[in-house]
Amino acid sequence: DAGVTQSPTHLIKTRGQQVTLRCSPKSGHDTVSWYQQALGQGPQFIFQYYEEEERQRGNFPDRFSGHQFPNYSSELNVNALLLGDSALYLCASSLGRSGRGWETQYFGPGTRLLVL
Amino acid sequence: GESVGLHLPTLSVQEGDNSIINCAYSNSASDYFIWYKQESGKGPQFIIDIRSNMDKRQGQRVTVLLNKTVKHLSLQIAATQPGDSAVYFCAENMNGAGSYQLTFGKGTKLSVIP
Repeated sequence: DAGVTQSPTHLIKTRGQQVTLRCSPKSGHDTVSWYQQALGQGPQFIFQYYEEEERQRGNFPDRFSGHQFPNYSSELNVNALLLGDSALYLCASSLGRSGRGWETQYFGPGTRLLVL
Repeated sequence: GESVGLHLPTLSVQEGDNSIINCAYSNSASDYFIWYKQESGKGPQFIIDIRSNMDKRQGQRVTVLLNKTVKHLSLQIAATQPGDSAVYFCAENMNGAGSYQLTFGKGTKLSVIP
């Protein structure tokens, strides 16, 4: 049973560039959430995708955008990168079709982004 | 204690002892709580969860206690092992308010002394 996978594992970009991160959910899951984790902090919610739509968004600027594909995989895009965007980006998958918000979210290993 | 910036609260325990990790959650409307374990360089790993209609839930070697009166959550690990060394996060969710996001606490670093 494949767990949540993310690619790439590490990425180095320069200020102003754009980046795309990818996530494949756990087998059987249809919902993907993205989190940003700064060093020494807990993860912060960016947004959640369900049925190819952004269902909920956290307090992140429009530079952060996403997409969910028919196979439930997802991408996170960040435009006009800032030094402060350096962080571990985590993808979590869950089963959303039950309509219950308390379905367990299972996390992938993350993508570590460094902005220079 | 509270963490500031990069300084996580740290708990050091002897191997074989029981560990208790505490968390004060922020929102009285939260109705679902989860404990995650995060090892260095890895994503958070689900440990145990509890809904607000329960006070206690047990898993394998772990117990979660919820005190809604004082908005406090604790994770008890029995017979702590070196493999338990990690950062532990509590997370809350307000499902009753139609929210799907998890809000994480600052984390506690558990160090197990062999």
